[in-house]
Amino acid sequence: DGGITQSPKYLFRKEGQNVTLSCEQNLNHDAMYWYRQDPGQGLRLIYYSQIVNDFQKGDIAEGYSVSREKKESFPLTVTSAQKNPTAFYLCASSIELTGSYGYTFGSGTRLTVV
Amino acid sequence: LAKTTQPISMDSYEGQEVNITCSHNNIATNDYITWYQQFPSQGPRFIIQGYKTKVTNEVASLFIPADRKSSTLSLPRVSLSDTAVYYCLVSGGRRALTFGSGTRLQVQP
Repeated sequence: DGGITQSPKYLFRKEGQNVTLSCEQNLNHDAMYWYRQDPGQGLRLIYYSQIVNDFQKGDIAEGYSVSREKKESFPLTVTSAQKNPTAFYLCASSIELTGSYGYTFGSGTRLTVV
Repeated sequence: LAKTTQPISMDSYEGQEVNITCSHNNIATNDYITWYQQFPSQGPRFIIQGYKTKVTNEVASLFIPADRKSSTLSLPRVSLSDTAVYYCLVSGGRRALTFGSGTRLQVQP
């Protein structure tokens, strides 16, 4: 079955460490996205990519980095510059950037700083 | 970007019809309206999408008036499993979608 796989489901990070969240899709979608969700809040856009080797900052990109070397993969690195990284991270993909055909989401990674 | 406004929360009882209205006054001509459902600790799930008039699928209906400045998601005969957060989004521009805080629907027995 086609879908989006995020790993790991739970991740613990010590302060000052960089961590990378994985996102893989087998839907042949061109566009991919990373969102952050804090408790009781909506989703905030971190980065998005319309095509391989191209990505754009979203609303809260500071402290995060991404790469898009393959169509199927869009990993997110949470760097030590992100001062409050504890959150639920969601990856999504769509056929094209406008989302007119809807977004498909992964099941998320919950990151906790210890 | 078209900004959306929807109620923060709603309460209902099992078996009732629930209507959640979303306001999007500055929607553009090429924008679509899409609704998503999110359960705790899961990613949002696509429910329904429309451009104008009425769209119906197996889980919901979407009503969009002629001026398209608002839309209403209708959930017929809700059950406890419909307790979730519902997001209204407007898409069509050349950037990624922005999710607001959504509407928290609580269904009581």
